[in-house]
Amino acid sequence: AAGVIQSPRHLIKEKRETATLKCYPIPRHDTVYWYQQGPGQDPQFLISFYEKMQSDKGSIPDRFSAQQFSDYHSELNMSSLELGDSALYFCASSTRRRGQETQYFGPGTRLLVL
Amino acid sequence: QKEVEQDPGPLSVPEGAIVSLNCTYSNSAFQYFMWYRQYSRKGPELLMYTYSSGNKEDGRFTAQVDKSSKYISLFIRDSQPSDSATYLCASDTEEDFGNEKLTFGTGTRLTIIP
Repeated sequence: AAGVIQSPRHLIKEKRETATLKCYPIPRHDTVYWYQQGPGQDPQFLISFYEKMQSDKGSIPDRFSAQQFSDYHSELNMSSLELGDSALYFCASSTRRRGQETQYFGPGTRLLVL
Repeated sequence: QKEVEQDPGPLSVPEGAIVSLNCTYSNSAFQYFMWYRQYSRKGPELLMYTYSSGNKEDGRFTAQVDKSSKYISLFIRDSQPSDSATYLCASDTEEDFGNEKLTFGTGTRLTIIP
């Protein structure tokens, strides 16, 4: 079965640079979530989108923005990168169809800021 | 205080033993309870989810929720070395399920010793 696809899988950037992470949800999933997971930490919710509209916002820095496109893929844009932004960034997708609401995670993008 | 608390471990058990993983939560509105398994450098993989109180069994895995004590458990029978991973519990409210962020525990790192 198709899973959530994230790209790139690994990314190395320097401080103050920008980065764009992409997420392609499971086909027919209409909701996308972004999480940040630091070393030894649990995933922290950043932001979510339903039908291309932002549906919830968590601990996402103002330097970050995200959007969901007409094909339901999502991009997380990160600017003025800081060392503390080094983490695993997961995208998850779900659908609101009853009985299928659980979130399925992608493999993650490992971002290293030097 | 985190809404979902989980002992981070590490927990080491011999192969074939029964493993018990536990979480407690504080938000009475939580209705959905999930267990995710995360291998090193991989995305969380949904193992099981339960609604409200009760048990759910899937092969060697049994999830148990006791809403009266706000206690969530995952039991693994006949544990295998391939079960070695970090196990994350997560919760969501009925109102938000399928729409909003998951609240994760910190994860328990489990090692099954051959």
